Amino acid sequence: DTAVSQTPKYLVTQMGNDKSIKCEQNLGHDTMYWYKQDSKKFLKIMFSYNNKELIINETVPNRFSPKSPDKAHLNLHINSLELGDSAVYFCASSQDNPGGIRYEQYFGPGTRLTVT
Amino acid sequence: GENVEQHPSTLSVQEGDSAVIKCTYSDSASNYFPWYKQELGKRPQLIIDIRSNVGEKKDQRIAVTLNKTAKHFSLHITETQPEDSAVYFCAASGSYQLTFGKGTKLSVIP
Repeated sequence: DTAVSQTPKYLVTQMGNDKSIKCEQNLGHDTMYWYKQDSKKFLKIMFSYNNKELIINETVPNRFSPKSPDKAHLNLHINSLELGDSAVYFCASSQDNPGGIRYEQYFGPGTRLTVT
Repeated sequence: GENVEQHPSTLSVQEGDSAVIKCTYSDSASNYFPWYKQELGKRPQLIIDIRSNVGEKKDQRIAVTLNKTAKHFSLHITETQPEDSAVYFCAASGSYQLTFGKGTKLSVIP
């Protein structure tokens, strides 16, 4: 059974469009994350949610809006897509609690977004 | 915020040799240091981690060492095998977030 799943796996779209990526975890974790991995393989955190509340919001354009309908889901909506948004987006989850002990992060399979 | 430097960016070794990847971090409050392996086209997966109250940890052919004073930590892979070829990421975390290094592409030559 897949622990962290993302859909879609591939997303090809044109500049200016709006798209969403969905993430679900069945590990019972309280904390979920979105990471962006660029062409140089650098993994950069974008957002973190704990119990459906935003904990981390790195310097990300406000065209990116995460939504957490419940603890098991963290979706990423992107408005007005730009060429520079092309990357692989990874969702992750962990047992982490803000200010507490850190634990392993389990990553989803990634969504490869290509903006043309 | 935390800054993690990772070296080298690429590493080629002969099968059976050892590989060492080194990282430094800037925030003395960081207390959790995981290492992730990412095979081509796959997701990052944890291979080993260490906490600040421990100086060394081993798991079969993999070991991690931590020097809190110098803010250094290293990954050691012994008896490398072709399936060890991947990108390896170090990371450091305090109570706020996990910051990753830029990755090391390890190639094990048969």
